[in-house]
Amino acid sequence: EVQLVESGGGLVQPGGSLRLSCAASGFTFSSYSMNWVRQAPGKGLEWVSYISSSSSTIYYADSVKGRFTISRDNAKNSLYLQMNSLRAEDTAVYYCARWDFCTSYPYLAVWGQGTTVTVSS
Amino acid sequence: DIQMTQSPSSLSTSVGDRVTVTCRASQSISSYLNWYQQKPGKAPKLLIYAASSLQSGVPSRFSGSGSGTDFTLTISSLQPEDFATYFCQQSYSAPQTFGLGTKVEIK
Repeated sequence: EVQLVESGGGLVQPGGSLRLSCAASGFTFSSYSMNWVRQAPGKGLEWVSYISSSSSTIYYADSVKGRFTISRDNAKNSLYLQMNSLRAEDTAVYYCARWDFCTSYPYLAVWGQGTTVTVSS
Repeated sequence: DIQMTQSPSSLSTSVGDRVTVTCRASQSISSYLNWYQQKPGKAPKLLIYAASSLQSGVPSRFSGSGSGTDFTLTISSLQPEDFATYFCQQSYSAPQTFGLGTKVEIK
């Protein structure tokens, strides 16, 4: 079964750090680009970061650039998001999602269940 | 960044009704438009990709259409399990962006 399982969320004070992990199974992780997408309470979806299969290409949303770092370990079938200098507005459920393609059309076909990050004093 | 505008933001409807949700892009995105369904407390689920292609396992009552800037998600006959929030997403250019969602509620 194709599966993504996030972990590492929790309560952190403003200015603090947190590292999220996403464990992949049931598919060849090293062949796929991956994304982090977040959803603030009661709000819509916001793309956070993208990493290509070989880590050669990385993108960040402007809202997290310079504070968050995406990485992956293909040997461990794992995706990571290091979050530093956290702010109240980073409070959200964080999802990892697989970047799939059909011909040239990309989409997020597989999602994890999400991990909750709460930034509060 | 490309802005995605969904309408309506919510709608109340009944089982068996035909439902249409619209998504408009701030610039042409060809057919790089995807639709997701999200139920409370759950992750989004892909329904439609490339504007009109049905994801494997998704019931045929769901369909998508459009290209350029205007897109539509249609549910031909709403079922009880379809009450959820629906999001569009453009994958034409980085950063990928989502619409704010359309909540389909029971009348």
